[in-house]
Amino acid sequence: SQQGEEDPQALSIQEGENATMNCSYKTSINNLQWYRQNSGRGLVHLILIRSNEREKHSGRLRVTLDTSKKSSSLLITASRAADTASYFCATVLTGGFKTIFGAGTRLFVKA
Amino acid sequence: GAVVSQHPSWVICKSGTSVKIECRSLDFQATTMFWYRQFPKQSLMLMATSNEGSKATYEQGVEKDKFLINHASLTLSTLTVTSAHPEDSSFYICSANLRQALNYEQYFGPGTRLTVT
Repeated sequence: SQQGEEDPQALSIQEGENATMNCSYKTSINNLQWYRQNSGRGLVHLILIRSNEREKHSGRLRVTLDTSKKSSSLLITASRAADTASYFCATVLTGGFKTIFGAGTRLFVKA
Repeated sequence: GAVVSQHPSWVICKSGTSVKIECRSLDFQATTMFWYRQFPKQSLMLMATSNEGSKATYEQGVEKDKFLINHASLTLSTLTVTSAHPEDSSFYICSANLRQALNYEQYFGPGTRLTVT
């Protein structure tokens, strides 16, 4: 990808389980964001974490950021079938406002 | 919150024709907009940065003569795919920046699905 990688590329879990997705990036960032995309649809903004923050919560979502390792993780707790989607991290580069997307993780939650 | 629209939401065109896609910021002014392309089951790839009143900045590997970008006003950017070919079939998404304090918030349009036959 233009900026970094995400792993796993695909994840299949049972409803009720937790899902963890990881994102790595290459350059210094201003902030990192996570988005969800249902098949063939537009992006849904989930959460933004700034470069000076280490952890952020929003409902069932927990995001961590480790700027020393240039990595972030998204945890979805108590997953639901409706969480089935592709999840992308996106970084806004330092000194600019260009947003670069990671490769994405395709999450499938089985009911 | 801020809203970005795209028109059309989907378009089918014949090979060799040109297609224009519009991106509008509905309730804010955006000096900068971005165009992304997404192939099936892949991520969004940044194509170009559209700057109001000046030339667009294209990412490496993106042909500027094929993907014409015009940002004539603070609320409208257009992407024209010229002489479209089947390999240009993709999902095109725009975004617009809104400055909030010292940070920029980026808002994405719903996307335009282009199919070239």
